[in-house]
Amino acid sequence: KAGVTQTPRYLIKTRGQQVTLSCSPISGHRSVSWYQQTPGQGLQFLFEYFSETQRNKGNFPGRFSGRQFSNSRSEMNVSTLELGDSALYLCASSSMPGAPVNTEAFFGQGTRLTVV
Amino acid sequence: AQSVTQLGSHVSVSEGALVLLRCNYSSSVPPYLFWYVQYPNQGLQLLLKYTTGATLVKGINGFEAEFKKSETSFHLTKPSAHMSDAAEYFCAVRGDSNYQLIWGAGTKLIIKP
Repeated sequence: KAGVTQTPRYLIKTRGQQVTLSCSPISGHRSVSWYQQTPGQGLQFLFEYFSETQRNKGNFPGRFSGRQFSNSRSEMNVSTLELGDSALYLCASSSMPGAPVNTEAFFGQGTRLTVV
Repeated sequence: AQSVTQLGSHVSVSEGALVLLRCNYSSSVPPYLFWYVQYPNQGLQLLLKYTTGATLVKGINGFEAEFKKSETSFHLTKPSAHMSDAAEYFCAVRGDSNYQLIWGAGTKLIIKP
């Protein structure tokens, strides 16, 4: 069974631009969560979607947004990019909401975003 | 508020030696504790977790961790290191909001031949 697929794997953008990242969860999983990983701040939760509805959101500015489609694929968008947005963005899928606390989360390899 | 401290950003051990990665936490609610591993250019993989019950938790790849409430610790151990164990290891605790984990800064494990 295919794992979590994130595209693209690497991305370079210029300050002020916007970017869209994609995540395809494991087949049958309806929950997708997004995380930002940086050397300075570590792993931080962005948001969680389940059945096309945002269930939870972390403490990030409104420039970070996401959505989930009826096939459970999810996208996250970052507008007006800043240098500090350079990070590894990880997506995790699970069969139920509340992962990884209440159920196991399966992580993708991430998208490495570099803002110049 | 919950927090996690991982002692040592880098830990180096010889192949075949004991691996000990330290994690201390603070939590205002009964802790759920997790260890994840991240191999280079990969996502995170769950090694093991403690929720309730037995305080010695066995995970994948020969790793285990012991929950010690009196010491607020959840150290990760493996009796004999293998070259394939080289990776970054993250300890995490359930946050105030049930859905969220509070993550440690990570410890890079280096295995010397």
